[in-house]
Amino acid sequence: QKEVEQDPGPLSVPEGAIVSLNCTYSNSAFQYFMWYRQYSRKGPELLMYTYSSGNKEDGRFTAQVDKSSKYISLFIRDSQPSDSATYLCAMSLSGGSNYKLTFGKGTLLTVNP
Amino acid sequence: GAVVSQHPSRVICKSGTSVKIECRSLDFQATTMFWYRQFPKQSLMLMATSNEGSKATYEQGVEKDKFLINHASLTLSTLTVTSAHPEDSSFYICSARAAYTDTQYFGPGTRLTVL
Repeated sequence: QKEVEQDPGPLSVPEGAIVSLNCTYSNSAFQYFMWYRQYSRKGPELLMYTYSSGNKEDGRFTAQVDKSSKYISLFIRDSQPSDSATYLCAMSLSGGSNYKLTFGKGTLLTVNP
Repeated sequence: GAVVSQHPSRVICKSGTSVKIECRSLDFQATTMFWYRQFPKQSLMLMATSNEGSKATYEQGVEKDKFLINHASLTLSTLTVTSAHPEDSSFYICSARAAYTDTQYFGPGTRLTVL
């Protein structure tokens, strides 16, 4: 079993739709959870960053973490064609030298106008 | 803020040559920099972690003599792919972490093609 599982998609939605992306993980020691957006042939861009369980909202984006289920989600409201990209979940252990990120494979999202 | 640059963005070289990739944090001091490799339609795989002024820590399976990492200052890390071969062709991405944050900021990546 991989440490982080993410459905690679592809996921295709019409403009304005609500998009739900998610990852599951096996290591209960993960404390920090992130979502990155990566456009083709570009480096990942940090979208959301959460610590431990709970919700976090930023504009059209909402990140949820459920540590009891080892499940994290990213919701995109009112999706736009510019949201078309690969979305990567990432997580890391807490503190000290354990800052290395473990990534999911990424979900390719296409928002159609 | 939190901008990370990489140079070059794309490089094509002959088999057997060495290639150096630079990673710079432009507006913050990076106590730790990370180097990743990404194959097509695959996720990022961490290669090594480097702290300024000390030797890099390599992930299992990554040849330290082949992928030389130098973190000479708080704003610059370099990755040198020595004696590159076609199987080293990949997208190499660096990231940098500032002392005051747990998040990593990524560079735009370098596409290496070895003929």
